[in-house]
Amino acid sequence: GAGVSQSPSNKVTEKGKDVELRCDPISGHTALYWYRQSLGQGLEFLIYFQGNSAPDKSGLPSDRFSAERTGGSVSTLTIQRTQQEDSAVYLCASSLAPGPGEQYFGPGTRLTVT
Amino acid sequence: GENVEQHPSTLSVQEGDSAVIKCTYSDSASNYFPWYKQELGKRPQLIIDIRSNVGEKKDQRIAVTLNKTAKHFSLHITETQPEDSAVYFCAAHLDTDKLIFGTGTRLQVFP
Repeated sequence: GAGVSQSPSNKVTEKGKDVELRCDPISGHTALYWYRQSLGQGLEFLIYFQGNSAPDKSGLPSDRFSAERTGGSVSTLTIQRTQQEDSAVYLCASSLAPGPGEQYFGPGTRLTVT
Repeated sequence: GENVEQHPSTLSVQEGDSAVIKCTYSDSASNYFPWYKQELGKRPQLIIDIRSNVGEKKDQRIAVTLNKTAKHFSLHITETQPEDSAVYFCAAHLDTDKLIFGTGTRLQVFP
């Protein structure tokens, strides 16, 4: 079946603009996660959803970052007033349920803020 | 705070040799420890995982060991092949359902 998909695959934006990144999880997966991967770095946890609720938003770097999930499926990560330090690959993952278990990653969105 | 340290950051081995990557974690409530492999330009993929009620798990050339007392776990790859070249990430799952990743190890296997 279809895996996790993300769009766009690449996004170049000017500093100060807002961007929206989209994630389509695997059908039936109730848990959805957002991570940020800076060049040569590990995966930094941003936020996760159980259904449409986000029990843990502690990883969001600032109040410029927000995320929502609707219908227990698609999620969008919004970054307002982008800064150059926001440049990174944003990865989405989904799992069948919250808790310990395999997370299936999407291909990521490479964001470049100029 | 929650933290996972991973060493080494880079590792070069000759084809056929073994490779070992080590991680330590800070949260004693962690109960699940996966390892992900990320090839260049691709998404991370789970290669093996271990839960806190076992000390070792093997899958062909890959094994993971866990020492809960010392709060560390390791990935062992035997008989390395060029296709094992990738970045490997360890992670620890917290009881808040967060997965905290290490900073990654770039493994290069030379033919």
